[in-house]
Amino acid sequence: EIVMTQSPATLSVSPGERATLSCRASQSVSRNLAWYQQKPGQAPRLLIYGASTRATGVPVRFSGSGSGTEFTLTISSLQSEDLAVYYCQQYNNWPLFGPGTKVYIK
Amino acid sequence: EVQLVESGGGLVQPGGSLRLSCAASGFSFSTYWMYWVRQVPGQGLMWISRMNSDGDSTAYADSVKGRFTISRDNAKNTLYLQMNSLKVDDSAVYYCARGLRFFDCWGQGTQVTVSS
Repeated sequence: EIVMTQSPATLSVSPGERATLSCRASQSVSRNLAWYQQKPGQAPRLLIYGASTRATGVPVRFSGSGSGTEFTLTISSLQSEDLAVYYCQQYNNWPLFGPGTKVYIK
Repeated sequence: EVQLVESGGGLVQPGGSLRLSCAASGFSFSTYWMYWVRQVPGQGLMWISRMNSDGDSTAYADSVKGRFTISRDNAKNTLYLQMNSLKVDDSAVYYCARGLRFFDCWGQGTQVTVSS
């Protein structure tokens, strides 16, 4: 059974700074990894799929990388509207979400 | 505009039943696999059921197997989740989501509270 972990649990970043979020799978999921953004009181929104492909309409400041068991979501220049919880999800097997990283604006 | 709108949530006693609906618009509903995903407030996301585009293949998470039934009416562009024998632990926001393996469209969610 695959286990997804995310680090850090919380991240505080100043506007304009880079935010780096990590996601780890307990076994290889190839590049079958998606990232979602969930703002307070809203449904999740797909940001990245295939580990690095931005979904339609996602700003270019969001980028994904990695393969196998280690993945990264990078927000190159954090904006105030990026306050959210970010979840990774593997889909190599049944969909399984990580516990999330909460991003605060410093 | 691609849209999913859930309804049917509410307060129910343990052992009770609810039927959730998810109305789709703005896309060809009958060509998409659909999921129900739930989220306990302040906690993470968990898929609980999925159905293929034709409606002849389903799957359930172990936690709801035998109690929940997913269905769809492609003529009405609507996905359903019949929830029976509800437990306190089923309390959550329930989302319908579009996709085969990852989810590119989500509804706004409907709250289900199971409490005596």
